[in-house]
Amino acid sequence: AQSVSQHNHHVILSEAASLELGCNYSYGGTVNLFWYVQYPGQHLQLLLKYFSGDPLVKGIKGFEAEFIKSKFSFNLRKPSVQWSDTAEYFCAVRSNAGNMLTFGGGTRLMVKP
Amino acid sequence: DGGITQSPKYLFRKEGQNVTLSCEQNLNHDAMYWYRQDPGQGLRLIYYSQIVNDFQKGDIAEGYSVSREKKESFPLTVTSAQKNPTAFYLCASSIHDRGTVYEQYFGPGTRLTVT
Repeated sequence: AQSVSQHNHHVILSEAASLELGCNYSYGGTVNLFWYVQYPGQHLQLLLKYFSGDPLVKGIKGFEAEFIKSKFSFNLRKPSVQWSDTAEYFCAVRSNAGNMLTFGGGTRLMVKP
Repeated sequence: DGGITQSPKYLFRKEGQNVTLSCEQNLNHDAMYWYRQDPGQGLRLIYYSQIVNDFQKGDIAEGYSVSREKKESFPLTVTSAQKNPTAFYLCASSIHDRGTVYEQYFGPGTRLTVT
């Protein structure tokens, strides 16, 4: 069975700091990759996704992620975080072997003003 | 407004009672999903349905049941057999097409507390 690991459970940054959240998955075949974000009191929403093509994908609010197939990774980045980025971030993987999403454990990001 | 609604937002039950969580969508999506969210464990799939009158077990289906009698509705029953039912429950939906991947849209969730 596939699994998804998010190594950072809690991250605290000051505004304007750069962000990188790690995501690694275990499936060896073709995958589709997602980052979802859950702002306090709000619905889980899609931040960005990778299906095929350019491994560097850009999402909403200045976020981007890079798919590195050889490392089974899909790390999320943002050059300069804002207080409003405080949220929980989830990486998810869908393999072609199954139709379902497998989620990582989530990373809680707190940005100090 | 199109979207997914879950009710109620907070639910309290006594141990030993079954409880049903509501999920309704007006996005005309074929597929619907139920997840459970626990701190540090992310979202885990309980049940999913790709078409009316059909549903499949997810990774943690034990102690739960679902029905899919209408396209827009996918209620989840947490039975007394579920050993640790206190959690945040999220419903999602998506377009279903065998050849194409579509993102899942999530509802606001129901926080269930069983004492």
